[in-house]
Amino acid sequence: DADVTQTPRNRITKTGKRIMLECSQTKGHDRMYWYRQDPGLGLRLIYYSFDVKDINKGEISDGYSVSRQAQAKFSLSLESAIPNQTALYFCATSDTRQGFYEQYFGPGTRLTVT
Amino acid sequence: KNQVEQSPQSLIILEGKNCTLQCNYTVSPFSNLRWYKQDTGRGPVSLTIMTFSENTKSNGRYTATLDADTKQSSLHITASQLSDSASYICVVSLQTGGFKTIFGAGTRLFVKA
Repeated sequence: DADVTQTPRNRITKTGKRIMLECSQTKGHDRMYWYRQDPGLGLRLIYYSFDVKDINKGEISDGYSVSRQAQAKFSLSLESAIPNQTALYFCATSDTRQGFYEQYFGPGTRLTVT
Repeated sequence: KNQVEQSPQSLIILEGKNCTLQCNYTVSPFSNLRWYKQDTGRGPVSLTIMTFSENTKSNGRYTATLDADTKQSSLHITASQLSDSASYICVVSLQTGGFKTIFGAGTRLFVKA
C-alpha cells in the first residue's frame, strides 16, 4: 500500500461548490503539507502543519482551508470553488526526526472547476 | 526575490546518452537543495538532497552537483533509459524558523529509443 494516499484522485466540480480533498499517511511523520501544481509553474505551498495543533498558511492560502484531524490525516477544503482553482493538488509529509526537508508526496488529485 | 530557475524547459535525448539539467537559484539564506523526479500523473519522488557543505551527491545513475558560491546546481543522468522520461524538479529551502521552500518549474525530459 502507498505510504501517502489522496482521495479523490480526480474530481470535477462546479463553481461555487464546497469540496474537500483528503490525505492520509502511514509513514508516522509529524509534518504534512498541501501544494498545488499548475502547468509551467513550480509547486506552490497552500498550507502546512507541523503537528496536530499547528496549522500555518503557505504562499497561496486564500480561498482554501485545512484541517489536521489526526497526525495521519490532513484535509484541504475549497469553500467556494472557482475555475482558477483548477489544478493538480499534492499532499506531502516529512519527519522532524529525519531532518524534515525530505518530503514524500502523494499521487495527487486532479481538480477541475467548471 | 527568492527564485529557482531551471533549464532547459524540455529536452529530448536518445536512450543510452547522458544529459545534464541545470538549476540556478537566488535563495537566501540557503539551507539545502533537492532534486525530485516526477513521472506523468504521479507525485514527485526525491532523488538527492544537498546541504551547503556538500558539492556532489549520487543516487544510482543520477549525480547532482552544487556550487553554493555561484548558486548553481546540476543533475547529470548517465546512460539514460526510457524510464528516465519525466519532469525533474529543483527545490531550494531557506534557513528560517518556519518553513520556506521554493520549487523550480522543472525540466521535462523525453528519452527516445
